[in-house]
Amino acid sequence: DVKVTQSSRYLVKRTGEKVFLECVQDMDHENMFWYRQDPGLGLRLIYFSYDVKMKEKGDIPEGYSVSREKKERFSLILESASTNQTSMYLCASSSPSRDRGGYEQYFGPGTRLTVT
Amino acid sequence: GQSLEQPSEVTAVEGAIVQINCTYQTSGFYGLSWYQQHDGGAPTFLSYNALDGLEETGRFSSFLSRSDSYGYLLLQELQMKDSASYFCAVFTSGTYKYIFGTGTRLKVLA
Repeated sequence: DVKVTQSSRYLVKRTGEKVFLECVQDMDHENMFWYRQDPGLGLRLIYFSYDVKMKEKGDIPEGYSVSREKKERFSLILESASTNQTSMYLCASSSPSRDRGGYEQYFGPGTRLTVT
Repeated sequence: GQSLEQPSEVTAVEGAIVQINCTYQTSGFYGLSWYQQHDGGAPTFLSYNALDGLEETGRFSSFLSRSDSYGYLLLQELQMKDSASYFCAVFTSGTYKYIFGTGTRLKVLA
C-alpha cells in the first residue's frame, strides 16, 4: 500500500519561530510537492521537487523554503512563521512519467499548522 | 491568468445522479483530473482525462471537452459516503504540477 506520511497532524507555533514540516514517501517517487489548503481557495502549490536537491517554486513560495536531501524526504521550512501561514499543509508525491500515471498524486494526511 | 471554476456546493439525495462541472483557463494543458477529499482526510485521486470524451470508473465518470475548456464529474447511485469535497485540477504541460480548483462540497441527503 502506497504511503505518504507527514511528521505531525497538528502543530502550534509562535510568530517568528522557525518551523519544519517533514514529508516521507515510500513509493520511490521522483516528484514531490508541498501545498497549502485554505477554505475557499483550494490547494495552492508552494514548492515542488522533481529530483534530489532540485526544487522549483510553485504559485505561492514567499515565506517558505524547501529541502530535498534524500529521494524519499521533502521538507518545508517556514523561516519565520507568521499568522498568515496558519493553514493546512499537504504533501504529495508522483512518479515522473506522465504516460505511466504521473498525473496521479498521492497525498499525505496533512499538517494543520496554527501560528499564534 | 490561470483559473478553474467549479460550483462551491451541490446537494443531492441518496440514489440520485449528480454532475459537478469545471471550466478552466490555463496556459498549457495536459489533462484534467478529479480528486475527492473527505473532511479531515487527504485528497485522493479519482480520474484523469487527457482526451475528449467520457471515462467511466464504476459509479463515477469524468468527461472532458478540450475545445470548450470544460469537464465534469458524474456520480451515479449516490451514497452517503460520497459526501465530500471534489476538486478538479488541470495537469499542466512542461511540468508535473497541477492547478487546483477551489472545490465543490457535495452533500448527500438520506
